[in-house]
Amino acid sequence: KQEVTQIPAALSVPEGENLVLNCSFTDSAIYNLQWFRQDPGKGLTSLLLIQSSQREQTSGRLNASLDKSSGRSTLYIAASQPGDSATYLCAVSRGTSGSRLTFGEGTQLTVNP
Amino acid sequence: NAGVTQTPKFQVLKTGQSMTLQCAQDMNHEYMSWYRQDPGMGLRLIHYSVGAGITDQGEVPNGYNVSRSTTEDFPLRLLSAAPSQTSVYFCASKILASSSYEQYFGPGTRLTVT
Repeated sequence: KQEVTQIPAALSVPEGENLVLNCSFTDSAIYNLQWFRQDPGKGLTSLLLIQSSQREQTSGRLNASLDKSSGRSTLYIAASQPGDSATYLCAVSRGTSGSRLTFGEGTQLTVNP
Repeated sequence: NAGVTQTPKFQVLKTGQSMTLQCAQDMNHEYMSWYRQDPGMGLRLIHYSVGAGITDQGEVPNGYNVSRSTTEDFPLRLLSAAPSQTSVYFCASKILASSSYEQYFGPGTRLTVT
């Protein structure tokens, strides 16, 4: 059974700091890995999707890497801002076209002004 | 596009009552699914559908029914609500053709069963 773990569970940093969120998974037979952002009381917003054949994806200040063989992914956030405060979730996919997601519990990030 | 919409946003039920959580998407996505989110357990897949008329069970299907009569709608039915079904429910959809397409989530329904 696939298990996804995110470390740390919570992180508090001052504004401007670069930071790394970690995600590990137990079964390397995945189609892709997605990073999501969740604001309090809201739904999930997709940030980055990395296909199993890819090593990394970038969007603005965000960079996600994937090492499928070791079962690890990192989300790098550059020059953090208070608006980045949210819970970040990673999910790995299986099933038809990678549709079924297994989620980690998330990292709650607080960026202090 | 409105994306993925869910109604209601909040609901309180008594044990044993039934209700339907509505989910609709206007992106013509073949794949739709329901997750529940509980503290300390992350999001878990309840049911999913790869197209109209086709549904299947996820990790935690007990106590829930689904049907998919149209591409746009994927309602989740609680036949006899139990306190263990207190949770936040999310609906999601995606294009099925490739794993390169991301999933889109609705805003959620917060359900309390007393």
